[in-house]
Amino acid sequence: DAGVTQSPTHLIKTRGQQVTLRCSPKSGHDTVSWYQQALGQGPQFIFQYYEEEERQRGNFPDRFSGHQFPNYSSELNVNALLLGDSALYLCASSRRGAYNEQFFGPGTRLTVL
Amino acid sequence: SQELEQSPQSLIVQEGKNLTINCTSSKTLYGLYWYKQKYGEGLIFLMMLQKGGEEKSHEKITAKLDEKKQQSSLHITASQPSHAGIYLCGADKVTNAGKSTFGDGTTLTVKP
Repeated sequence: DAGVTQSPTHLIKTRGQQVTLRCSPKSGHDTVSWYQQALGQGPQFIFQYYEEEERQRGNFPDRFSGHQFPNYSSELNVNALLLGDSALYLCASSRRGAYNEQFFGPGTRLTVL
Repeated sequence: SQELEQSPQSLIVQEGKNLTINCTSSKTLYGLYWYKQKYGEGLIFLMMLQKGGEEKSHEKITAKLDEKKQQSSLHITASQPSHAGIYLCGADKVTNAGKSTFGDGTTLTVKP
């Protein structure tokens, strides 16, 4: 059983560019949450998707957007990249109503130059 | 302000020694999770505590949630180099909300 997978593993972009990160949830999971983890800090909640809609959102600007597909996979899009967007982006999946069983992917390391 | 405070920020212990990491919240916790993270990698779930006074163990790692559900401790007995990594506590502010908040982690180094 494959766990949560994310792609790409690493990504280097320049300021002002746009980026798309991808996540495939664990089998049997229908909810995907995205987190941003800056160096030396804990993960910060960005948003959560269920039934192809954004259900909850953290304190992140509109430059951060997402999408969930019918197969429950998800994308995180960030527009107009800033240097401060450099971080490890983590995807976590769970079953609706069972958020205490979140499984995290290995993350995508985004570097903005 | 940080909602979950972890202490210490970093810890260096000799192999075989015991250690404790603490996680404190100013608000009642509805679910407290402990994760382990290798540098630059994803989070590995260790255990979850929900009830005040609850204690769980996994191999040589034990976690407790205090009666008021505002503080948790993670204790490692007879530490090994394989225990090295970043330990993060996470919590849900509202029952089953799925919006977890995390502490900044405790970096553990175990010297052989």
